[in-house]
Amino acid sequence: KAGVTQTPRYLIKTRGQQVTLSCSPISGHRSVSWYQQTPGQGLQFLFEYFSETQRNKGNFPGRFSGRQFSNSRSEMNVSTLELGDSALYLCASSLAQGGRHNSYNEQFFGPGTRLTVL
Amino acid sequence: AQSVSQHNHHVILSEAASLELGCNYSYGGTVNLFWYVQYPGQHLQLLLKYFSGDPLVKGIKGFEAEFIKSKFSFNLRKPSVQWSDTAEYFCAVRGQSNTGKLIFGQGTTLQVKP
Repeated sequence: KAGVTQTPRYLIKTRGQQVTLSCSPISGHRSVSWYQQTPGQGLQFLFEYFSETQRNKGNFPGRFSGRQFSNSRSEMNVSTLELGDSALYLCASSLAQGGRHNSYNEQFFGPGTRLTVL
Repeated sequence: AQSVSQHNHHVILSEAASLELGCNYSYGGTVNLFWYVQYPGQHLQLLLKYFSGDPLVKGIKGFEAEFIKSKFSFNLRKPSVQWSDTAEYFCAVRGQSNTGKLIFGQGTTLQVKP
């Protein structure tokens, strides 16, 4: 079974530009979460989507947005890029959101998109 | 607010030494607990998880962790580390409230000397 895929793997942008990152979850997974990883702040939760609906949102400014499509693929967008947005953006998918069954709770992470803002 | 604290930021061990990485969390309700590992150049992989039941959980590659509810802790252990265990280790917690949101600790970099 193919894992979580993220495109592109690397991006270089300049301040003020916007960027769109894509995530394809494992086949059959309906929940997709996004995280930002930086050396200073570590791994921080951005948002979570389930069945095309945003279910949770982290403490990030409105410049960060996302969406999920009917095939569970997800995109996140960052507008008006700032230098501090340089990070590794990780996507994770799981079979379902929460619940008590063990297999529904495990999240599988993709390789990430390395965004550099100049 | 939920938070996760990993006590050791950087650990250096020789091969065959025992490992224990500390993790404490702050959350008022029932939680699911995880340890993830990130090998150099690779993506995050799940080492082990705790949802309920036996507080001593075993994961892949000889790792285990013990959930101590009274101490809000979920420490990771391995009796004998190998050079290939060199990686960054993350403890994470999720409130069992029908969410996939994970709160991660800052991570611990483990360097194993051959």
